[in-house]
Formats: sequence, structure tokens, C-alpha cells
Amino acid sequence: NAGVMQNPRHLVRRRGQEARLRCSPMKGHSHVYWYRQLPEEGLKFMVYLQKENIIDESGMPKERFSAEFPKEGPSILRIQQVVRGDSAAYFCASSTPGRSGNTIYFGEGSWLTVV
Amino acid sequence: DAKTTQPTSMDCAEGRAANLPCNHSTISGNEYVYWYRQIHSQGPQYIIHGLKNNETNEMASLIITEDRKSSTLILPHATLRDTAVYYCIVRALYNTDKLIFGTGTRLQVFP
Repeated sequence: NAGVMQNPRHLVRRRGQEARLRCSPMKGHSHVYWYRQLPEEGLKFMVYLQKENIIDESGMPKERFSAEFPKEGPSILRIQQVVRGDSAAYFCASSTPGRSGNTIYFGEGSWLTVV
Repeated sequence: DAKTTQPTSMDCAEGRAANLPCNHSTISGNEYVYWYRQIHSQGPQYIIHGLKNNETNEMASLIITEDRKSSTLILPHATLRDTAVYYCIVRALYNTDKLIFGTGTRLQVFP
């Protein structure tokens, strides 16, 4: 059973370009979470999605960031007009429908570098 | 979400047991305690979770006090590969059951 798959693993973008990060959840998982980790800092929650539905986006920056989890295909975290401060590791996680005690599993991350 | 308090860092000799404490004195009766770790430049790795009973799996044991206000993660025979940041997280049971990460404990296993 493959784990949470993220791609690309490393992405370099120039300031002002767009970055798209993809996440395929574990088989059977319908819930996806995105986290960001700035250099030398902790993991910060960004957004929680179910298929075709955003459940909690309380951690998403108000501008330039968006996320989706379509009925078919991977979840996408999109960052428009990237700035140097967006350079970070972005981690995706997935779980089965929320019940107490369900485990959330993480991918290996996508490292975004903005030059 | 209940807050957790963990020591900033700990050391452990290779082959010895690593005991990582966590305080969660404001935990609610239906909140679980989760442990994750993050090895440098990798994604967080699930270790174990529990509600009120002690739990054991192939990676570790979790001891939760009877009043549930604190817990201890035990790595029975630490290896150099266990060097990581360990996070104790209390998981809320609301619409969003996201995990909120604190600063964790940086465990250094030395030869």
C-alpha cells in the first residue's frame, strides 16, 4: 500500500511565478491536509480538504494561496506570484473519514525554493 | 485544543531506553494523545496514539497516567536513527480533526 505521494519533491521558481504542488493520498483516504514548514521552524497547518470540499482553511494565507481536492486526481496546493518568503517545505497528509483515533499519515514533502 | 508541554531537548545513549515526557493537563475526556516524529528533512512519521490505556506497537510504548494529564513515550532500545524531533499532540474531535504541532522534543541519540 503506497503511502502519501507528493510531487515534485523539489521545485525552484522565480519570484512572481506560480507553484503547483500535488498530493496523492493513501489508498482509501478521502481527507487531505496541507502543512508548511519554514526553515528552522515548526509545522504549521494550512488547509484540510475532503473530495471537492474545503473543510478548514484557517491556516491559509489570505492571498495567493489556494487548494483543491477534486473528485478525480490529486490534491493541488497552488501558490501564485511566489515570493522569497514562500520558500519552505510543504507537507501533505491524509486520513480516512474523521472518527476519533484515526491516524493521519504524512508524505515526504515538497521543497519549494523561490529565487 | 488542549496544549502540550514537552522538554526542548533530551539525550539518550544508543541501546538505552528513551523516555520522552509530555504534559497535557487540560486534555478533555474524549481527546487522544498522538506521538509523531520528524527526522531531519523528512515528513512527520506517526508513532503511536492512545486514549487512556497504555499502548505498545513495534516502534514504541505509550504510557498515559490515570488522570490523563501526562504521558510518556518510550523507545525501548534507542538507535542513532531515532535521533529526531518528537511531537506529542492532543487531537481535537471537532469538524476538523487536524493535528496541531508544537515545538516538540529534540532527541539526540549518541553512540
